[in-house]
Amino acid sequence: AQSVTQPDIHITVSEGASLELRCNYSYGATPYLFWYVQSPGQGLQLLLKYFSGDTLVQGIKGFEAEFKRSQSSFNLRKPSVHWSDAAEYFCAVEPNTNAGKSTFGDGTTLTVKP
Amino acid sequence: NAGVTQTPKFQVLKTGQSMTLQCAQDMNHEYMSWYRQDPGMGLRLIHYSVGAGITDQGEVPNGYNVSRSTTEDFPLRLLSAAPSQTSVYFCASRVLGSGNTIYFGEGSWLTVV
Repeated sequence: AQSVTQPDIHITVSEGASLELRCNYSYGATPYLFWYVQSPGQGLQLLLKYFSGDTLVQGIKGFEAEFKRSQSSFNLRKPSVHWSDAAEYFCAVEPNTNAGKSTFGDGTTLTVKP
Repeated sequence: NAGVTQTPKFQVLKTGQSMTLQCAQDMNHEYMSWYRQDPGMGLRLIHYSVGAGITDQGEVPNGYNVSRSTTEDFPLRLLSAAPSQTSVYFCASRVLGSGNTIYFGEGSWLTVV
């Protein structure tokens, strides 16, 4: 069975600074990988996803993520954080089968300092 | 375009009471699911369905029941509420098949006292 680890429970960055949120997964082959964002009191919204091909994936709101097979990682990055990026971020992994179910990490809460 | 709609948004139950969380989607998605979200534990899958008349258990199904009589609706029933079921519940839907985007409802906050 697949699993996802988000090592950082809480990260604080200053507005305008760069951001990297870590995600490591465990699965026997290359899975589908996702990043979701959850604003307070809301459901989750997809930021980006990776299936295959180019290992650098662009998403919405200026986010990108890089898949590194050798490290089993799929880290999320943003060059310059805005106050509105404060939220909880979830990494998810899904097997590469037709009936795959997503497994979510425990989430990383991002706080943005003015 | 409503997407995934959950009701109620907030509910307080007494231990032992039963209730149903409603979920409807208007995207004609075959796959629907229910998750619960607890602090520091991410989302855990309760039950899911790959089409009308078909349901299956997820990671934490005990104490919950589901049915799928139509493509649009996927209600979650708490049979006899317990304080351990205090949580935020999310309904979600997607096109069937791995890798497709999951669309979430806005959540239902349930407190069992």
